Amino acid sequence: DAGVIQSPRHEVTEMGQEVTLRCKPISGHNSLFWYRQTMMRGLELLIYFNNNVPIDDSGMPEDRFSAKMPNASFSTLKIQPSEPRDSAVYFCASSSEWTGSGNTEAFFGQGTRLTVV
Amino acid sequence: AQSVSQHNHHVILSEAASLELGCNYSYGGTVNLFWYVQYPGQHLQLLLKYFSGDPLVKGIKGFEAEFIKSKFSFNLRKPSVQWSDTAEYFCAVNDRYSSASKIIFGSGTRLSIRP
Repeated sequence: DAGVIQSPRHEVTEMGQEVTLRCKPISGHNSLFWYRQTMMRGLELLIYFNNNVPIDDSGMPEDRFSAKMPNASFSTLKIQPSEPRDSAVYFCASSSEWTGSGNTEAFFGQGTRLTVV
Repeated sequence: AQSVSQHNHHVILSEAASLELGCNYSYGGTVNLFWYVQYPGQHLQLLLKYFSGDPLVKGIKGFEAEFIKSKFSFNLRKPSVQWSDTAEYFCAVNDRYSSASKIIFGSGTRLSIRP
């Protein structure tokens, strides 16, 4: 398996523009997580899905952020309009539910480094 | 509410020193426990995990962790660190039997190794 795939790896955009980050989870995983990491705030959980349904979006900073998971193999995180304070590394991770084998850890993608100027 | 505490924010050691990073969690149910490592500029990778059996878990690169249920702790150890262990380390927990359980991460401990 290729692991969790995120695109783009780097994104530089101007303030006010729309930004869309993409994630392809590991096949067979039923949970997907979006995290944001900054020096100031560390690793923050923004939202997570289970079986394509958003379960907890309490970490989404404000209405400018939205996330979708239209099917089991694709998710997007959108920021509209973007602001300089959104600059961060955004990670997507996926995991599977307990089946007795102990394999419930999260697998992370390489991240998208977003810079809003 | 579930939470994970990592009390050491930044640890500085010399090469060959022994390492112990603290992790305490708060959760009333049955949990799975994890340690992740993030090398500079990279993503988080699993170091080791505990879900049952021997509470002393061995992971990659000589790391190990001990689950002490009575103390709600899962401390990470390594007998002799190397410069290449410089990274940020995250402890994490999730509810074992919930099909929709989120993984809760601690705030991380930055480890700097002096050559």
